[in-house]
Amino acid sequence: NAGVTQTPKFQVLKTGQSMTLQCAQDMNHNSMYWYRQDPGMGLRLIYYSASEGTTDKGEVPNGYNVSRLNKREFSLRLESAAPSQTSVYFCASSKLSPRQGVSNQPQHFGDGTRLSIL
Amino acid sequence: ILNVEQSPQSLHVQEGDSTNFTCSFPSSNFYALHWYRWETAKSPEALFVMTLNGDEKKKGRISATLNTKEGYSYLYIKGSQPEDSATYLCALSSGATNKLIFGTGTLLAVQP
Repeated sequence: NAGVTQTPKFQVLKTGQSMTLQCAQDMNHNSMYWYRQDPGMGLRLIYYSASEGTTDKGEVPNGYNVSRLNKREFSLRLESAAPSQTSVYFCASSKLSPRQGVSNQPQHFGDGTRLSIL
Repeated sequence: ILNVEQSPQSLHVQEGDSTNFTCSFPSSNFYALHWYRWETAKSPEALFVMTLNGDEKKKGRISATLNTKEGYSYLYIKGSQPEDSATYLCALSSGATNKLIFGTGTLLAVQP
């Protein structure tokens, strides 16, 4: 049981290049999330998908796009990479809460993608 | 923008010491408080999710309490071991979509 799988693990880009970070989960979770982690800052939410077919902006969405390809897969795209997007990116997934208005499901994280933009 | 604060930033203890950390958050619009354990070179792992004022949860030597009225949670580790060395993150959920706002973490180093 792989859990949440992210590819690639490492990538170096030049400013202006584009790339897509892939994320897949095999736990039949409804919700998926993309975070970035920078030194001295907590994990910050970029985009999330509460369920298949929906995506919404998080705290720091500028410069990114996402696609919820199916229930398993949630990709993050950098259309024109900038040095400020150098970071470690984490994908996570969670079950839907058992009832409306309750948010009590833990998130399960992938191992991260370390991205450097020169 | 909601702010989640953790203290201390880092902590060095000796094996066998008991320790605790604090997570502070705005008490309005509260849905849940999460605690995660994040070892170096690994991914964050969920420890607890707490939703009710007065909640206490325990997993082995680690326990957590929640006070939603005053906006804080404590994480306790009893008899710290070197394998407890990690960054401990708390995160606030303020909506049913389970979006999380993370604190910057407390880095715990346990020396044998």
